Amino acid sequence: SQKIEQNSEALNIQEGKTATLTCNYTNYSPAYLQWYRQDPGRGPVFLLLIRENEKEKRKERLKVTFDTTLKQSLFHITASQPADSATYLCAPMGGGSYIPTFGRGTSLIVHP
Amino acid sequence: GAGVSQSPSNKVTEKGKDVELRCDPISGHTALYWYRQSLGQGLEFLIYFQGNSAPDKSGLPSDRFSAERTGGSVSTLTIQRTQQEDSAVYLCASSSDRAYEQYFGPGTRLTVT
Repeated sequence: SQKIEQNSEALNIQEGKTATLTCNYTNYSPAYLQWYRQDPGRGPVFLLLIRENEKEKRKERLKVTFDTTLKQSLFHITASQPADSATYLCAPMGGGSYIPTFGRGTSLIVHP
Repeated sequence: GAGVSQSPSNKVTEKGKDVELRCDPISGHTALYWYRQSLGQGLEFLIYFQGNSAPDKSGLPSDRFSAERTGGSVSTLTIQRTQQEDSAVYLCASSSDRAYEQYFGPGTRLTVT
């Protein structure tokens, strides 16, 4: 069955550093992969979508990579700020499907 | 414009009772999703509506769960004969036609005692 893995342990970093979050998947060949941010008590908020034929996507301080050989996506936040502290969810989607499979998310804590 | 809204924000019910959760999607969005999120778990897909097509109910965990979408807008998720394991946050999301980006509501926290 499809399996999405994100680090269950929180990632603690200092303000100004680059945060890198990992999403690995198995038994799956997604055509797209989305990243969402979720704050406590709130619904997820869409951040970025990357397609299988794109190696990298950027949006302001965010960068996502998608390696279909390694079956992995990396999510980077450069010049991190305490306001970036949240849980980040990875959500791959198969081609022809509009239903993503969400990972459990990784908690990011940025210390001032 | 307004985002996705859900009501109630919190619901406490006794085991065995029926509950109805409501979702108002963003106006004009043709796709609507229901998910549930248990503590420490990922989002579990429940059901997907797209326009006038038959809904994808493949994620509904049992026949106690049902959902409908009236007039292509508001949706209601109904859980009959609630069980303690139904306790979770129920999230609704909508998206525009053939778009992948989903807009989520704040969720309804359901507690079954």
